[in-house]
Amino acid sequence: GQNIDQPTEMTATEGAIVQINCTYQTSGFNGLFWYQQHAGEAPTFLSYNVLDGLEEKGRFSSFLSRSKGYSYLLLKELQMKDSASYLCAADSTGGGNKLTFGTGTQLKVEL
Amino acid sequence: KAGVTQTPRYLIKTRGQQVTLSCSPISGHRSVSWYQQTPGQGLQFLFEYFSETQRNKGNFPGRFSGRQFSNSRSEMNVSTLELGDSALYLCASSLNPGLAHEQFFGPGTRLTVL
Repeated sequence: GQNIDQPTEMTATEGAIVQINCTYQTSGFNGLFWYQQHAGEAPTFLSYNVLDGLEEKGRFSSFLSRSKGYSYLLLKELQMKDSASYLCAADSTGGGNKLTFGTGTQLKVEL
Repeated sequence: KAGVTQTPRYLIKTRGQQVTLSCSPISGHRSVSWYQQTPGQGLQFLFEYFSETQRNKGNFPGRFSGRQFSNSRSEMNVSTLELGDSALYLCASSLNPGLAHEQFFGPGTRLTVL
């Protein structure tokens, strides 16, 4: 079956760095997504990792280890607006856009 | 370019009723996927349509159905509503299937079943 685990909640301080972990067990794994979702809004795409390693995109970086079924999202120089839910999702084979999501990590950034 | 639009944004129904939700993809996008989001289960894949054909289906009962029209607009229908169907229903579109990394989500329809 498909299973994705990520912490339910995290709290960090403005200006700091936070790492949100995600472990997955899926069949036919293609790649790993991270989305950001503010309360009451649609999820917005942050990153997509297919190969092992770290991909950096401004303040946000995402890491993937396919052999370990593990990914993390790294947020640097945290800002208050980064307070949101961060969703980890696995992309499986089938030729379509079927994504399996974790339940999301609610990040709270404090002063 | 307009984003993905969903109508209605909010809906209240009672148990046993049926509901139809609509999704208009980004212009030029031909693949439409539907997801259900609840606090306990998170985002769960319902189905995906491309060229008016269902390409993928999630693990939901037959009460959940959908279709896609020739202009790529899609509808989903839930019959015999249950309290547990209360959720945010999200639609996402991409140019073609297999481009999940270029998939954009709509704002969702918040369904409340009383």
